[in-house]
Amino acid sequence: DIQLTQSPNSLYPSVGDRVTITCRASQDISRYLNWYQQKPGKAPHLLISGSTNLQSGVPARFSGSGSGTDFTLTITSLQPDDFATYYCQQSDSSPEYSFGQGTKLEI
Amino acid sequence: QVQLVQSGAEVKKPGSSMKVSCRASGDSFKAYAIIWVRQAPGQGLEWMGGIVPVLGTRNVAQRFQGRVTITTDESMNTAYMELTSLRSADTAVYYCATTSGFNPEASFDNWGQGTLVSVSS
Repeated sequence: DIQLTQSPNSLYPSVGDRVTITCRASQDISRYLNWYQQKPGKAPHLLISGSTNLQSGVPARFSGSGSGTDFTLTITSLQPDDFATYYCQQSDSSPEYSFGQGTKLEI
Repeated sequence: QVQLVQSGAEVKKPGSSMKVSCRASGDSFKAYAIIWVRQAPGQGLEWMGGIVPVLGTRNVAQRFQGRVTITTDESMNTAYMELTSLRSADTAVYYCATTSGFNPEASFDNWGQGTLVSVSS
């Protein structure tokens, strides 16, 4: 099984901050890494697919990078609506998938 | 774009079974694969399994094999996930989501609203 480890587990940024969340895979997953945002009581929402591909409608302050085992989600100039939990998810081992443990951005 | 609507919350007894439905509207059900993910209270996301309706291909995470059955009713544009031998640790919100198929390029781009299943004696 491919394990994904996110860091940090939680973060306490301020509005306007630049935020970086990392996701490390237990083995090479090429660029098959997706990022989701989840708000309390809501389903996850796909932000980025294939490590770098911003989904339609997602603000340009979100970006993804990385390949192999190390990946990053960056939010430039954090907005109040961005306080949420973020998950990475790998699809390299399709049809077996796995998620990171999540990173919570807290006020 | 497809919309997914899941069945309502349930309370179950330990040892019993649950079956959650996920109805697709707005697009052909056959155009997608459906995956199931659960989230225990205060915990992260856990992939459970999925199905490609047009191919009849199924895959279930190893830890759920023998307890999870994933099916579809194409006439109803609905997918189902049945979990048997319930225990308190199965208390969670269960989500369905669409993906383009069982391939590395796939991502989970449309999600149902979630179904809370509580297991308690």
